[in-house]
Amino acid sequence: QVQLVQSGAEVKKPGASVKVSCKASGYTFTSYYMHWVRQAPGQGLEWMGIINPSGGSTSYAQKFQGRVTMTRDTSTSTVYMELSSLRSEDTAVYYCARSKKDVGALGAFDIWGQGTMVTVSS
Amino acid sequence: QSALTQPRSVSGSPGQSVTISCTGTSSDVGGYNYVSWYQQHPGKAPKLMIYDVSKRPSGVPDRFSGSKSGNTASLTISGLQAEDEADYYCCSYAGSYTLVVFGGGTKLTVL
Repeated sequence: QVQLVQSGAEVKKPGASVKVSCKASGYTFTSYYMHWVRQAPGQGLEWMGIINPSGGSTSYAQKFQGRVTMTRDTSTSTVYMELSSLRSEDTAVYYCARSKKDVGALGAFDIWGQGTMVTVSS
Repeated sequence: QSALTQPRSVSGSPGQSVTISCTGTSSDVGGYNYVSWYQQHPGKAPKLMIYDVSKRPSGVPDRFSGSKSGNTASLTISGLQAEDEADYYCCSYAGSYTLVVFGGGTKLTVL
C-alpha cells in the first residue's frame, strides 16, 4: 500500500541540526511532490517547503529560508529534511506529505507520514 | 499568526450540521479554487477531507462538503457523528511565491 514512513524521534540541543527522513513506498516516487509540514505542541499546521523528487528542485517557506534543506535519494525513494540552528521554538512534530504534481494540488496532501517528534532542549 | 483565519472552536449535537469558515485574501483563498480541508484526531496525522474547494477523496463520507465565496471557504459537516470530533484545518494554494498556507485550526466538539 501507499505509505510514507519517517525516522524516529530526536532530541537536540539549541544550535544543533536535525535531519529527518521519509521513505516512500507503494507508488512511483518521482511522480509526486513531497512537502514538509510541522506542528508545535498544541499548535496548528505550518508548511515548511516542497521538493520535487524527480529533479531535486526545492522551494522553502520564507520563514525557514537559510535554515532548512530538503534533499532526496531516488535509489531508496527517501526524502530528507534538515533544519539547522535549532531553537526551542522548533520543538514540534515534523510530517512529510505527498501531493500531485499540479499547481492547484500543491495544498492537497493525500498521504502523510506518521510524524517525527523533534525536541530542542538544553 | 496563521495566514488563514478560522474560528478556534465550533460545536454541535449528533445529527446536526456545523460549518467551519476559513477566511483569507485575494492572494490565496479568493484567488484560486484550490482550498483543501484536513481532519486531525489527537496524536494522529492529518487526513485530507476536501480538495479543490469541494471535491472529496475516495472514502470520505458525503456528509463532508466544501464551498467558497469570495475570500472565505467553508467546510460543512452534516449528520454529525461522535467520530467527527477532531481538529479541522483549511489550506490554500497562495501563488508561486508563498505556495501554501494553512489556517490556524478549528476544534470541533460533538456535544
